[in-house]
Amino acid sequence: GAVVSQHPSWVICKSGTSVKIECRSLDFQATTMFWYRQFPKQSLMLMATSNEGSKATYEQGVEKDKFLINHASLTLSTLTVTSAHPEDSSFYICSASGTGGHLDTQYFGPGTRLTVL
Amino acid sequence: EDQVTQSPEALRLQEGESSSLNCSYTVSGLRGLFWYRQDPGKGPEFLFTLYSAGEEKEKERLKATLTKKESFLHITAPKPEDSATYLCAVHLLRGGDKIIFGKGTRLHILP
Repeated sequence: GAVVSQHPSWVICKSGTSVKIECRSLDFQATTMFWYRQFPKQSLMLMATSNEGSKATYEQGVEKDKFLINHASLTLSTLTVTSAHPEDSSFYICSASGTGGHLDTQYFGPGTRLTVL
Repeated sequence: EDQVTQSPEALRLQEGESSSLNCSYTVSGLRGLFWYRQDPGKGPEFLFTLYSAGEEKEKERLKATLTKKESFLHITAPKPEDSATYLCAVHLLRGGDKIIFGKGTRLHILP
């Protein structure tokens, strides 16, 4: 149980385009979802926290207008990187916590590798 | 300031050579401590949650323990497939659902 999926697993795009990444909880209801980014050999950096039906809470230094987060249902959250630039290239990972498992535990998706040319 | 520090940064062991990874934390209030395993290019895989000092959890060759200041992940007779980065994270009493990650320990088990 407690499986989280992400789509796509990797994406390459041109500078200036927007990219949408989906995060789904497959076998539980995710009341809270989190978005992280991770640079090579670095730890995970929290970007934002979102609760279903509410606006996301962004960490300091994360641009709300650049990284749009939508948590429309208890099983789906999306992260849209708008007008992507090469410096946005990174490994983006979502996680989810909620009912049906360890209530306080975050379960992570497999990650999405974004490369902006 | 809430902090999570993992040591060592990297560890190379021979197959079968047992060792321990350390996660020390300085937080205003601990709700829980998590251990994850992360393979290159993949998301973290949940291993354990510990809630109170003295608690221990085991899974195959791994055992996690918790005190009021630190947690240890003991690896007994490791195999090459145990090679990965092991991440420790703390869930604070305040701050809602946010957790703070350490930088991880890169473990390499030599055959």
